[in-house]
Amino acid sequence: NAGVMQNPRHLVRRRGQEARLRCSPMKGHSHVYWYRQLPEEGLKFMVYLQKENIIDESGMPKERFSAEFPKEGPSILRIQQVVRGDSAAYFCASSPLETSGIDDEQFFGPGTRLTVL
Amino acid sequence: DQQVKQNSPSLSVQEGRISILNCDYTNSMFDYFLWYKKYPAEGPTFLISISSIKDKNEDGRFTVFLNKSAKHLSLHIVPSQPGDSAVYFCAASDWGGSQGNLIFGKGTKLSVKP
Repeated sequence: NAGVMQNPRHLVRRRGQEARLRCSPMKGHSHVYWYRQLPEEGLKFMVYLQKENIIDESGMPKERFSAEFPKEGPSILRIQQVVRGDSAAYFCASSPLETSGIDDEQFFGPGTRLTVL
Repeated sequence: DQQVKQNSPSLSVQEGRISILNCDYTNSMFDYFLWYKKYPAEGPTFLISISSIKDKNEDGRFTVFLNKSAKHLSLHIVPSQPGDSAVYFCAASDWGGSQGNLIFGKGTKLSVKP
């Protein structure tokens, strides 16, 4: 399966713990996007990364959230000191290296469902 | 402030009939629009897209119409099939600008009844 991989699929954390969500883009894709879907809401953009660079983090909460996409390995979305309001589905998407804009849809992973107790 | 709005949270259609899902946007800088379909416990799947230089794009049973003056787009599915039952998200981007994120609507849940 050459699709976007996310793990874990389900993650349960207690308030104050850290959550790490992983995303492996499709082969050949070097652009990664993270989105969050709160209950009864649409997907909301969080951050856009290329290898080793954060391109746009305008949707990221200013505190406790961070993202990285190292040269080797998956992209990581890290949430420190989780609170109940962080409970959501977190989706990762990837797009190819040569982004032309038009015809360049993003391919989504299955998501990680974070539950904060 | 929602830039992409899907005002109908749900839609029920009989099998074989046409499904019309609507989407409105407020940002005139958007120049690329996409529809995604999402089944429960899965990630969104790309369905069809349209750039702002077109007013219609067709792919099999799916057609997207764009009315730039009204800042409105719609997805037509004809004939509708029970397997089309899913949540449909409209998304928009200004590829000419940030080329980054997509702005999504809240989704419309389509139910196609046999």
